[in-house]
Amino acid sequence: EAGVTQFPSHSVIEKGQTVTLRCDPISGHDNLYWYRRVMGKEIKFLLHFVKESKQDESGMPNNRFLAERTGGTYSTLKVQPAELEDSGVYFCASSQAAAVPGRGYTFGSGTRLTVV
Amino acid sequence: GENVEQHPSTLSVQEGDSAVIKCTYSDSASNYFPWYKQELGKRPQLIIDIRSNVGEKKDQRIAVTLNKTAKHFSLHITETQPEDSAVYFCAARKAGTALIFGKGTTLSVSS
Repeated sequence: EAGVTQFPSHSVIEKGQTVTLRCDPISGHDNLYWYRRVMGKEIKFLLHFVKESKQDESGMPNNRFLAERTGGTYSTLKVQPAELEDSGVYFCASSQAAAVPGRGYTFGSGTRLTVV
Repeated sequence: GENVEQHPSTLSVQEGDSAVIKCTYSDSASNYFPWYKQELGKRPQLIIDIRSNVGEKKDQRIAVTLNKTAKHFSLHITETQPEDSAVYFCAARKAGTALIFGKGTTLSVSS
C-alpha cells in the first residue's frame, strides 16, 4: 500500500510569510495526526482528525496555525504568519479506526520548515 | 492529559552490549504503548508495541516490558549493533486519543 505522503519535503520562508503543508494519509485511514519536532527534541502532538472532524486540537500552539481536512482525505496545515520559533520538522501520521497491534501509526517523511 | 517521561536522553554502549530505555506515563487509562525508532533524516518507524493486557513482548533482539501498577514500560535491546544507533521514542495513548511521545533517547552503539 502507498504510505503517508507529505509535501513539500523542505520549505524555507521568511518571517511573516505564509506556508501550507500537505499530508496525504494512507487510503482508508480515518485518523490523521499532525506532530512537530523542534530542534531535535520531542515529537510534540499538534492535532488529531477523525475523518474530517477535529478530534483534538489541544496541541496547536496558537491561532497562527490552521489545520483542515477536506472531505476526510488529505489534510493541510497552514502557518500564517510564520515566526522563527515555528521552524522544525512537521510530521503527519495516519492510522486505522482502532490502533492495530503491530501497526500503530504510519508516519510521513516530514516537512522540514525553516523560518528565517 | 497524558504525560510521558523518558530516560535516559542519551545512551552510549559498546557493540554487543544491551541497552535499556525506560518510560513512565501518567494516565492510568492508557492502554497502548509503542516504541518508534528514528534514524537521522528519516521518518519514525514502529519497532515494537504492547497493549495493557500484556506484560512483556519480544521480537528477536528487541523486547518491551510493561508494569501497569507502576505505570512504567521499558525497551530492551540485546546484542546491540551499530545499525541500532538512532533516536528511540516511547509513546502512550488511551482509546480514541492521539499518541503522546516521550522526549526521545539518542542511542549510540560503537564498534
